[in-house]
Amino acid sequence: DTEVTQTPKHLVMGMTNKKSLKCEQHMGHRAMYWYKQKAKKPPELMFVYSYEKLSINESVPSRFSPECPNSSLLNLHLHALQPEDSALYLCASSQDGVTNYGYTFGSGTRLTVV
Amino acid sequence: LAKTTQPISMDSYEGQEVNITCSHNNIATNDYITWYQQFPSQGPRFIIQGYKTKVTNEVASLFIPADRKSSTLSLPRVSLSDTAVYYCLVGVVNTNAGKSTFGDGTTLTVKP
Repeated sequence: DTEVTQTPKHLVMGMTNKKSLKCEQHMGHRAMYWYKQKAKKPPELMFVYSYEKLSINESVPSRFSPECPNSSLLNLHLHALQPEDSALYLCASSQDGVTNYGYTFGSGTRLTVV
Repeated sequence: LAKTTQPISMDSYEGQEVNITCSHNNIATNDYITWYQQFPSQGPRFIIQGYKTKVTNEVASLFIPADRKSSTLSLPRVSLSDTAVYYCLVGVVNTNAGKSTFGDGTTLTVKP
C-alpha cells in the first residue's frame, strides 16, 4: 500500500458544528502532516506529528485540534470554524529522518464552512 | 527555511521539452530539493528529489549546479496531461523538522 487515504472527500459544516477529518497510511511512515491549501495558493503547513507526538504546530488556531491515535492514523478535529477556514485540507506522511524521499500526500478533504 | 522562487506560469506545446527553474539562494547544507506536481483538487504528487548534480527517473530530470542555489526540473516531451502546478521544495524531510516550505509554484499549461 503506497497511499495516504483521507476521508471524507467533501465536507460542509456550519460554524457551530463539530466534525473530524481522518487520514490513514500503511507505509510505515513515522511522520504525518496536516496542510491547508486555499484556492490558487501553495499548501501551508499546520501540524507535524513525529512518532505519534506533536512536534510542530504552526500557530494554528485552537479551533483546529490534531490527534494521532497510532502510527497509521491522523485526525483533525474541527470546532467553531469560520467561513475563511474553507479550504482543501491535505494530509501527508514521510519516512524516518535517515532518508529523504519526500512526502506522500492524500487527495485531500474539501471543507466548506457555512 | 530556504525561500524558493519560481516563475508564476509557463506555456508549452505537446512534444516539447520543458525546463522549470527554481531559485533557492539560502539553501542549507542538509537541505534536499524536491519537486511536486499538483492537479486541481488533488494532493501534490512527488516527482523527483536530489541533493546535487543530476538525478533522472522515468518521468523527469533534475539538474542542480555545484553551488546548489538553483535547480531545474526538466520534463521531456510534455503532453496535455502534464498541465499542472509544479512546486519546488527545499528542506530536510524528517521527523524532527518536517518544515519544508512550498514556494508559490509554476503553473504549466501544455497546448496541443
